[in-house]
Amino acid sequence: GQQVMQIPQYQHVQEGEDFTTYCNSSTTLSNIQWYKQRPGGHPVFLIQLVKSGEVKKQKRLTFQFGEAKKNSSLHITATQTTDVGTYFCVGSGYSTLTFGKGTMLLVSP
Amino acid sequence: GAGVSQSPRYKVAKRGQDVALRCDPISGHVSLFWYQQALGQGPEFLTYFQNEAQLDKSGLPSDRFFAERPEGSVSTLKIQRTQQEDSAVYLCASSAYRGPGYEQYFGPGTRLTVT
Repeated sequence: GQQVMQIPQYQHVQEGEDFTTYCNSSTTLSNIQWYKQRPGGHPVFLIQLVKSGEVKKQKRLTFQFGEAKKNSSLHITATQTTDVGTYFCVGSGYSTLTFGKGTMLLVSP
Repeated sequence: GAGVSQSPRYKVAKRGQDVALRCDPISGHVSLFWYQQALGQGPEFLTYFQNEAQLDKSGLPSDRFFAERPEGSVSTLKIQRTQQEDSAVYLCASSAYRGPGYEQYFGPGTRLTVT
């Protein structure tokens, strides 16, 4: 079955440093979504990437979808304490939806 | 314009008891999903409804788990003869689109503890 691997599992940065999380699928994806889950909260949709090689930006967040549509990354520039949480990539196949295990981001002021 | 709601928010059950978890999706949303999230893990897909039809139940861990959405709106996840390994947060999500590959709106979850 479809597997989605996400690295790193955990990262602790100082406020102002950059952060990147990577997502790799065992199969080619129809699209990929990214969600953020704050501690004690529920996942909140951030973005969806559909096209091969697509790059999207949301303020300090940059999302990329690989050319082969099997990998993706989320990069945060100049992290802030409000960025704390777990970031999940979600791979969508023809009829499947698979969450990665997430990257927990801690930001120290 | 309320979001997805779930009840109860917390449930403690003794091993062997049956539980029923309710999800009220966003009005008009076609698709509804159930997930199980263990502590420190990502959500694991359980089942998917498109309107009242259960199109995918491949993630249900055993025949003790049963989900329904009889009128294409509210959904109930039932767990029979609960076991300790069933302890987790159960998340419900809905989407305005058909199919699994679109933006989902999550509810706050029901935290189930089996003692």
